Amino acid sequence: DIVMTQSPDSLAVSLGERATISCRSSQSILNNSKRKNYLAWYQQKPGLPPRLLIYWASSRESGVPDRFSGSGSGTDFTLTISSLQAEDVAVYYCHQYFTTPQTFGQGTKLEIK
Amino acid sequence: QLVQSGAEVKKPGESLKISCKGSGYTFSTFWIHWVRQMPGKGLEWMGSIYPADSDTRYSPSFQGQVTISADKSISTAYLQWSSLRASDTAIYYCASPIKAAAGELDSWGQGTLVTVSA
Repeated sequence: DIVMTQSPDSLAVSLGERATISCRSSQSILNNSKRKNYLAWYQQKPGLPPRLLIYWASSRESGVPDRFSGSGSGTDFTLTISSLQAEDVAVYYCHQYFTTPQTFGQGTKLEIK
Repeated sequence: QLVQSGAEVKKPGESLKISCKGSGYTFSTFWIHWVRQMPGKGLEWMGSIYPADSDTRYSPSFQGQVTISADKSISTAYLQWSSLRASDTAIYYCASPIKAAAGELDSWGQGTLVTVSA
């Protein structure tokens, strides 16, 4: 199985500041022929299902604010929130859909400092 | 969209089948995935099914513990247990890459809370 490891487990950032979450996969999730990384990021707020934010490591889902961005390739990936808003308080998960079994990171809890 | 069946309260050893109904798209041609979230914990991929031919994949962690099935005639996928344990207490989500570019999960059900307690 591909193990997805996020860091940190929790993060406190001031409003308007940048938040950065890392995700590392135990093996490459880059499809070389398509030149795509099969990595997604989700946001989950209490009592709600996860919401897709980013797919293919860096493509923003329709309707997601442009303060959210994804980067990285191969085994190392980053989710960045450029200017934290109060409504961004949530748990964030990375997810590899490169191979079965698909796997999620353990989650990163983002709070306001 | 995906609409799941309601919350369940069961006793250890009982059986259970929960459902996920798709609407507004061609249900049979998109994989349906099941994801577990234990209380206060993260997301765990359990397995998936392709309703058109019932091709099913399981995570090794859940193989033999649950059964995933689908009835494409009524656009519904199922997750079932033959003998529940207290450790099965969790929220179970179905999800599907309905509008997705690849396999990212862009559509989620509302979740079904399963509580197993004596």
